[in-house]
Amino acid sequence: EAGVAQSPRYKIIEKRQSVAFWCNPISGHATLYWYQQILGQGPKLLIQFQNNGVVDDSQLPKDRFSAERLKGVDSTLKIQPAKLEDSAVYLCASSFGQGRTKDTQYFGPGTRLTVL
Amino acid sequence: AQKITQTQPGMFVQEKEAVTLDCTYDTSDPSYGLFWYKQPSSGEMIFLIYQGSYDQQNATEGRYSLNFQKARKSANLVISASQLGDSAMYFCAMREKGRSGTYKYIFGTGTRLKVLA
Repeated sequence: EAGVAQSPRYKIIEKRQSVAFWCNPISGHATLYWYQQILGQGPKLLIQFQNNGVVDDSQLPKDRFSAERLKGVDSTLKIQPAKLEDSAVYLCASSFGQGRTKDTQYFGPGTRLTVL
Repeated sequence: AQKITQTQPGMFVQEKEAVTLDCTYDTSDPSYGLFWYKQPSSGEMIFLIYQGSYDQQNATEGRYSLNFQKARKSANLVISASQLGDSAMYFCAMREKGRSGTYKYIFGTGTRLKVLA
């Protein structure tokens, strides 16, 4: 079974530029998550989708970050314009979703973003 | 208040020895789940083990076991027979129902484990 795919793996941009990350979840997983992980910290949830609807975006800086999940499968996360403090690893995860007692998140390899 | 607390920023263990990584949690949801993930230097989060709040037995997966003490709200990870490849960051995470009724996942700050040859 294929895992969660993410691209690109690495990205270096200058501040005020824009950047986009792509995620393809495990087939059949209804729930998709985007996390930001700053060096030395645990992952922080940015946004959670159930199919193509947003269920939690309370920690997403909406003035510069946006995300979509068209057709309930792939998702893109965009930052525009980027700031120095956005330098982090952006992790995508997916799970089967609601109703499953042992619902478990599986993560992609992440995208390491450096903002100069 | 922290929902997930990992009090050990770093741990050392000798190869072939066992090691326990601590995790305490706090939730009012009676039906919660607890997870441990391993994050090597490559950055990927690897799922290790799961414990449900209603599970009677402690979870085990190969060399990993979860010492679940519900009354104390602790879910410590035990790695037996440590290997050099176990050197990584380890995260404890909890799944609970949010206000909207959907599941939320909360991560601790992690413990960096170094296995010594």
